[in-house]
Amino acid sequence: DAGVIQSPRHEVTEMGQEVTLRCKPISGHNSLFWYRQTMMRGLELLIYFNNNVPIDDSGMPEDRFSAKMPNASFSTLKIQPSEPRDSAVYFCASCEGGEETQYFGPGTRLLVL
Amino acid sequence: QKEVEQDPGPLSVPEGAIVSLNCTYSNSAFQYFMWYRQYSRKGPELLMYTYSSGNKEDGRFTAQVDKSSKYISLFIRDSQPSDSATYLCAVDNAGNMLTFGGGTRLMVKP
Repeated sequence: DAGVIQSPRHEVTEMGQEVTLRCKPISGHNSLFWYRQTMMRGLELLIYFNNNVPIDDSGMPEDRFSAKMPNASFSTLKIQPSEPRDSAVYFCASCEGGEETQYFGPGTRLLVL
Repeated sequence: QKEVEQDPGPLSVPEGAIVSLNCTYSNSAFQYFMWYRQYSRKGPELLMYTYSSGNKEDGRFTAQVDKSSKYISLFIRDSQPSDSATYLCAVDNAGNMLTFGGGTRLMVKP
């Protein structure tokens, strides 16, 4: 299995631009998570999907952030408009239903200038 | 106060040393306790997880949970340079929503 796939791996954009991060979970996993990692705040859960339905989005920092999961094999995290404080590494993770082991992707390094 | 506290390190040890990594947490509702290892510029990977109190051993790694004191530990025996990474503890109340500590950076010197 290829593991969790994220794209792009690196993104540099200017403040005010829209940013879309993409994730393909491991086949057969029905739970998907988006995390953000910064030096100051560590690794934080942003949103959690189960069977393509958002279960908890209490970690989404503000309305500029939105996430979708149109089908079991694809999810997006969108930031519009982006701000320099959004600069971070964004991870997607997936797991099988009822399991505790989450498998993380390689992350997307986002830099907003 | 953060829900999970972890000393950021860095912790530098010689090869072969026994390493002790620790976390404290504040919410007694947490039932699952995990240790993730994160190499530089990679995603975290699960090392071990335990349910409730007790010990769990896997090769050179031992995870220990003391729910009475809300304290979790990871011990690494015979540490190797390849163990150099950031170690993240995480807790879960069985809802699949992990809360991570800030991570401890470990350096094992040959």
